[in-house]
Amino acid sequence: GMPVEQNPPALSLYEGAESGLRCNFSTTMKGVQWFQQNHRGRLITLFYLAQGTKENGRLKSTFNSKERYSTLHIKDAQLEDSGTYFCAGDTNAYKVIFGKGTHLHVLP
Amino acid sequence: EAAVTQSPRNKVTVTGGNVTLSCRQTNSHNYMYWYRQDTGHGLRLIHYSYGAGNLQIGDVPDGYKATRTTQEDFFLLLELASPSQTSLYFCASSDAFRRERGTEVFFGKGTRLTVV
Repeated sequence: GMPVEQNPPALSLYEGAESGLRCNFSTTMKGVQWFQQNHRGRLITLFYLAQGTKENGRLKSTFNSKERYSTLHIKDAQLEDSGTYFCAGDTNAYKVIFGKGTHLHVLP
Repeated sequence: EAAVTQSPRNKVTVTGGNVTLSCRQTNSHNYMYWYRQDTGHGLRLIHYSYGAGNLQIGDVPDGYKATRTTQEDFFLLLELASPSQTSLYFCASSDAFRRERGTEVFFGKGTRLTVV
């Protein structure tokens, strides 16, 4: 299967709602990085995790290397959160492999 | 924050043309990467390198060459460009000396290439 499987492919949320994105890895990753891609195509790092959980404002991410998954939770969604979110796994082979992304649309 | 600079930011070329995309990082990172991004595929790894003179094959290398001339500079070469190579290209770098703990990757702003 795909080295990095990201779900859901697309997500619509109303302002103020919350939801989660998930990446499953087919192999052990040394770390995971979450990005938001804005409308100009710029990749903005949200989190890098080698293990455990990190929180930043309305965003929270968890990485479990043993269970081979990572999650990104968005709460109190805002219009500016719209965009495409990617996870990327840092492999033992020095490659960084991306999921296909989640297109998030926050509705007023 | 780590700086990765790509040039040009936009490029249009004709089928069969010769294109070089440039990437420079000024953070003494040893690993550098070239990705392409296409709708429905996310970012796919073309080539990467762990130092000057080194080249590693990525997941979608066909039609691309790359060269790492210095610690700072990594070039992507399309010697016979085809319309299928129309894409958004990203360069990235990371410091793998902390490899055992995993490493964060820093990205450039991207180069939009159109092959007509």
